[in-house]
Amino acid sequence: QSVLTQPPSVSGAPGQRVTISCTGTSSNIGAGYDVHWYQQLPGTAPKLLMYDNSNRPSGVPDRFSGSKSGTSASLAITGLQAEDEADYYCQSYDSSLDGWVFGGGTKLTVL
Amino acid sequence: EVQLVESGGGVVRPGGSLRLSCAASGFTFDDSGMSWVRQAPGKGLEWVSGINWNGDSTGYVDSVKGRFTISRDNAKNTLYLQMHSLRADDTALYYCVRDRGSGWSSFPFDYWGQGTLVTVSS
Repeated sequence: QSVLTQPPSVSGAPGQRVTISCTGTSSNIGAGYDVHWYQQLPGTAPKLLMYDNSNRPSGVPDRFSGSKSGTSASLAITGLQAEDEADYYCQSYDSSLDGWVFGGGTKLTVL
Repeated sequence: EVQLVESGGGVVRPGGSLRLSCAASGFTFDDSGMSWVRQAPGKGLEWVSGINWNGDSTGYVDSVKGRFTISRDNAKNTLYLQMHSLRADDTALYYCVRDRGSGWSSFPFDYWGQGTLVTVSS
């Protein structure tokens, strides 16, 4: 069981908007630690997709956006494309565990 | 171009030891914190251990404390993970990752290697 909770799967048709939630606790997201998101395409290493809750690294399309509120964060993807089909992971720091924690991952299927 | 190349994985019996290495290039290694992240077959990501730029601060996930040791050789631009008392649940692809900052606990991981597979099996 992961410290951060994500839905196992989400899906959407091309062009639609989907969101992926990431729920934590008062020792991680709720304590004010930033949330980062990673995208893992099939058979490849994860890639940083969003950092510090809502900042996109260079090269990440603005179809991707992030937000954080209270003990939760979310990743939104608009204008879904087939190439967005991947696993998505949220990450934050946990002060009780004194280490990084990840969500269990969400598999995005583009219908 | 930033490159992180892991090596040292393989098949080991339960209770055995293994040392992973990560050769870094394309950036100033001794300015960067580093971590190891693992992914069991078909499973999610798990942070294993982190180390700051000069090696005087380290962190571990509870399940590996006392068994794994992270270290670095800045002269060789290389990160290590010494693993002892290996168990079946340590079986995973181990990724070497770079922290965006000089520590290991403050910034996200902006570069990932391709991973080295560790299989613990009798």
